[in-house]
Amino acid sequence: AQSVTQLDSQVPVFEEAPVELRCNYSSSVSVYLFWYVQYPNQGLQLLLKYLSGSTLVKGINGFEAEFNKSQTSFHLRKPSVHISDTAEYFCAVSYTGGFKTIFGAGTRLFVKA
Amino acid sequence: DVKVTQSSRYLVKRTGEKVFLECVQDMDHENMFWYRQDPGLGLRLIYFSYDVKMKEKGDIPEGYSVSREKKERFSLILESASTNQTSMYLCASSQTTGGRTSGQRAHEQYFGPGTRLTVT
Repeated sequence: AQSVTQLDSQVPVFEEAPVELRCNYSSSVSVYLFWYVQYPNQGLQLLLKYLSGSTLVKGINGFEAEFNKSQTSFHLRKPSVHISDTAEYFCAVSYTGGFKTIFGAGTRLFVKA
Repeated sequence: DVKVTQSSRYLVKRTGEKVFLECVQDMDHENMFWYRQDPGLGLRLIYFSYDVKMKEKGDIPEGYSVSREKKERFSLILESASTNQTSMYLCASSQTTGGRTSGQRAHEQYFGPGTRLTVT
């Protein structure tokens, strides 16, 4: 079955420290990969996406992610976080042959002063 | 700017009431989705639609129905609201590449702000 696993449910980090949010997906021939961010009491907003081409993808707010096909991973990184990055982050995958997108359970990022 | 709007941000209903949640998108997207979001469970797909009048069950369709009479509008209906349907409801829309019968993949989804429904 197609699935997305976000390995950490919560990640606390100090302001200006680097952060990595981990995401693994079940293998498939080809996928589209996404990271979304959700601020409190809001809908989800696209942070970045991988469709094809370069495996390093840059998104909004200084985030980037690397697609690793052999490890079926798409980890999200930021070199220096701000208090305003406190939010929930969702990894998502769409597979060839469907209309749907599979979402991970989410990782709650807490940035502390 | 893509806009997905939902009819209410907050809604309080009584057990047994019929509840309508409306969603409208302005990007001419083929696909529309309804999710519910609960703490620790992430997003769970209730229903989706890939064309006008077409609908498909998602992972948790029980107790819900949907309607898509126009391309831009997708409604979620709770036939008889129950307390276990208290949740955040999110609507989304997306494009699809590829043909209808094979090879299609969904592009990114655009989400509305959500409706927080409380059933008492």
